[in-house]
Amino acid sequence: EAGVVQSPRYKIIEKKQPVAFWCNPISGHNTLYWYRQNLGQGPELLIRYENEEAVDDSQLPKDRFSAERLKGVDSTLKIQPAELGDSAVYLCASSFFAGELFFGEGSRLTVL
Amino acid sequence: GDSVTQMEGPVTLSEEAFLTINCTYTATGYPSLFWYVQYPGEGLQLLLKATKADDKGSNKGFEATYRKETTSFHLEKGSVQVSDSAVYFCALSDREDSSYKLIFGSGTRLLVRP
Repeated sequence: EAGVVQSPRYKIIEKKQPVAFWCNPISGHNTLYWYRQNLGQGPELLIRYENEEAVDDSQLPKDRFSAERLKGVDSTLKIQPAELGDSAVYLCASSFFAGELFFGEGSRLTVL
Repeated sequence: GDSVTQMEGPVTLSEEAFLTINCTYTATGYPSLFWYVQYPGEGLQLLLKATKADDKGSNKGFEATYRKETTSFHLEKGSVQVSDSAVYFCALSDREDSSYKLIFGSGTRLLVRP
């Protein structure tokens, strides 16, 4: 069975440009998470979905970040416009209800 | 708020050495505790977990015991291998939440030399 799939793996953009990351969770997993991992730090939750509903987005910088999970399956995380401080690895994870989280390989963003 | 503190790395060991990576936590409730591992070029994987005080989680020769009295969940392995080289993250989840909202430590890089 396929794991959590993320794309792109790497993205380099100039500041003020937009960027989008895509995540396809494990089939049947109703909970989807986006985490951000800064260099040398642990992941921090940005947003959590239960099916198509965002149930925890308190850490999402809503002025420039947006996310959607249409039809309760795959999800997109967007940053517009990107700032230098957004350089990080963006991790997607999914789980079945309150079960174990399965992480994708991440999307590494570099903002120049 | 809840938080996790790990020992800073990198930790460099020779093969077959004993490993300890310290982890302490702060939580208002009764959290579940986890160790995740990130091998080079791969995503985070659950290594082991413990859901209540005095529970011992174990997997692949690694162990950690949930110590409520010292608010600790130290990771140990009796004999490390080169293939154990990775970054290890301690994490907690508030059991009152309906699903696992994980709070991670900053990670400890382990390098095992032949």
